[in-house]
Amino acid sequence: QSVLTQPPSASGTPGQRVTISCSGSSSNIGSNTVNWYQQLPGTAPKLLIYSNNQRPSGVPDRFSGSKSGTSASLAISGLQSEDEADYYCAAWDDSLNGQVFGGGTKLTVL
Amino acid sequence: EVQLVQSGAEVKKPGESLKISCKGSGYSFTSYWIGWVRQMPGKGLEWMGIIYPGDSDTRYSPSFQGQVTISADKSISTAYLQWSSLKASDTAMYYCARGGGYYPTDAFDIWGQGTMVTVSS
Repeated sequence: QSVLTQPPSASGTPGQRVTISCSGSSSNIGSNTVNWYQQLPGTAPKLLIYSNNQRPSGVPDRFSGSKSGTSASLAISGLQSEDEADYYCAAWDDSLNGQVFGGGTKLTVL
Repeated sequence: EVQLVQSGAEVKKPGESLKISCKGSGYSFTSYWIGWVRQMPGKGLEWMGIIYPGDSDTRYSPSFQGQVTISADKSISTAYLQWSSLKASDTAMYYCARGGGYYPTDAFDIWGQGTMVTVSS
């Protein structure tokens, strides 16, 4: 059971906009920033969004993040086949004094 | 180029010890936190712990405290994850990743390629 809750799966067709939610609590998302990682099949995770809504250099602006209260979300617009991957949210947890991940969401591009 | 290069895959027996490594290059190794993340087969990411090579300040997830040891040798820009007695349940892919420059709370912006550890009798 992960500390941060994500839907196990999401799907969309090419060109569509999809969102992935991440729910936490006051000790993690409620008091710290949220990061998002993309893991393509058979590869290491890659930082996609940091500090709630910042994109590292090289990440397309089709990817965006937001946070409100104890929840966060990742939005992907103009969905492409290469976006098919697992997506994880993460945040520091003040009670556990460590980082926590969501269980991951498998995105399928139909 | 900033990169983390991890040691190769390992196959071990239950009860054996193991130390895997993560070598940083292209940046000041002592100025950024290095974290370890476990991914069991077909499962999600789990944060194990983090170390600041500059002063060896180390934090562990409660789930992994006492089960593994994280260390670093700044003279060779290398971080380590070790077990004194492996169990079959330690079978997983282990990733190292670079964290922030000041706080252990920051995102992991650079990841190693992963080290697969298989524990089987």
